[in-house]
Amino acid sequence: GQQVMQIPQYQHVQEGEDFTTYCNSSTTLSNIQWYKQRPGGHPVFLIQLVKSGEVKKQKRLTFQFGEAKKNSSLHITATQTTDVGTYFCALSSSNDYKLSFGAGTTVTVRA
Amino acid sequence: SQTIHQWPATLVQPVGSPLSLECTVEGTSNPNLYWYRQAAGRGLQLLFYSVGIGQISSEVPQNLSASRPQDRQFILSSKKLLLSDSGFYLCAWSLRYGYTFGSGTRLTVV
Repeated sequence: GQQVMQIPQYQHVQEGEDFTTYCNSSTTLSNIQWYKQRPGGHPVFLIQLVKSGEVKKQKRLTFQFGEAKKNSSLHITATQTTDVGTYFCALSSSNDYKLSFGAGTTVTVRA
Repeated sequence: SQTIHQWPATLVQPVGSPLSLECTVEGTSNPNLYWYRQAAGRGLQLLFYSVGIGQISSEVPQNLSASRPQDRQFILSSKKLLLSDSGFYLCAWSLRYGYTFGSGTRLTVV
């Protein structure tokens, strides 16, 4: 199945700073989804990107799908303690229902 | 609104004992259902998925099995647990895009 590499694995951020996590694939993706898992919790769906070059924003979160549809990024501005958790990208092929998840970026915030 | 119920929240089982985890979905019909496992500090591994009653697809060879006896019920089972079966088991459903996960079961095999 399709594989995706997510970097960095860990991100230690000073409160108020920005950071970006990246998701890269060697193959063209039909779409990509992003999830957030708080410590001790379950993953929660954030967004799906479908179009080449698509950019979507959710408050301080900006999601981008690459022009070649082989990579995606999540940028968080002015990090807050509520942003702590693990962010996963996930992808599916166009003809099945299965999602393959990246290994995730675990974010910790220094107050 | 749609809800997903998964229980129990935590479980400690001895090696060699059986396992049955249940997941039910409310407020939707004919959802796609999934079982994932997450090892501590790791990503999510798809174990099984189902697109309809009695239709189960297995993603990895393992000591586990799944069944879907009703449209909105998905069960994960094992006849004899291994130490390596420990982990965080998550049930999820979807219709079009975006999975909704249950709250998960933390299984420790001792």
